Amino acid sequence: ETGVTQTPRHLVMGMTNKKSLKCEQHLGHNAMYWYKQSAKKPLELMFVYNFKEQTENNSVPSRFSPECPNSSHLFLHLHTLQPEDSALYLCASSQENGPSGGALETQYFGPGTRLLVL
Amino acid sequence: AQKVTQAQTEISVVEKEDVTLDCVYETRDTTYYLFWYKQPPSGELVFLIRRNSFDEQNEISGRYSWNFQKSTSSFNFTITASQVVDSAVYFCALRRSNYQLIWGAGTKLIIKP
Repeated sequence: ETGVTQTPRHLVMGMTNKKSLKCEQHLGHNAMYWYKQSAKKPLELMFVYNFKEQTENNSVPSRFSPECPNSSHLFLHLHTLQPEDSALYLCASSQENGPSGGALETQYFGPGTRLLVL
Repeated sequence: AQKVTQAQTEISVVEKEDVTLDCVYETRDTTYYLFWYKQPPSGELVFLIRRNSFDEQNEISGRYSWNFQKSTSSFNFTITASQVVDSAVYFCALRRSNYQLIWGAGTKLIIKP
């Protein structure tokens, strides 16, 4: 495997379900990101992990819960979602210069998980 | 305010035509990076180019070229001799000295055979 991989690629879930999205990067990077892409809206940054520490949480509802067990893996745990949470969820990674970031490095993206909440 | 504007929502051209995608940005930062990404129907965002604010040299990569002009705050992308495989949504983005990428709304490019 190369680059950034995401599983599953497609997910349909009910509002009472609990599911998890998985992201794995094979680039040796130390920062990972979750983005949400809804139809007709700009990409929204949800979470950032740098050196396994969460450094950004852009006012994301608590029904989305990230987990970063190591610098190569990132999860997004989902529970009691709403239909408006249906979107493409993209994971990205980059190589940052330090725990406080500050570098302007390129983010590389995975193929995304298309989520439909019924 | 930090902002990226891609005024062209959708462009449709016939194969082999040249096409330019516009990107205009706003920032007060002196250090920043500009990016272009391609998003084919499969969904993955593919990195195309990164340009820092101190480097105004134009870049050419095969059929792709980029024109960065700080005087007009623009970073335009031209595809020469377009091909059907170029059909995708193209995003311009601005990155400041934190993790935030400020994204344009994207331009959907349709190349007809």
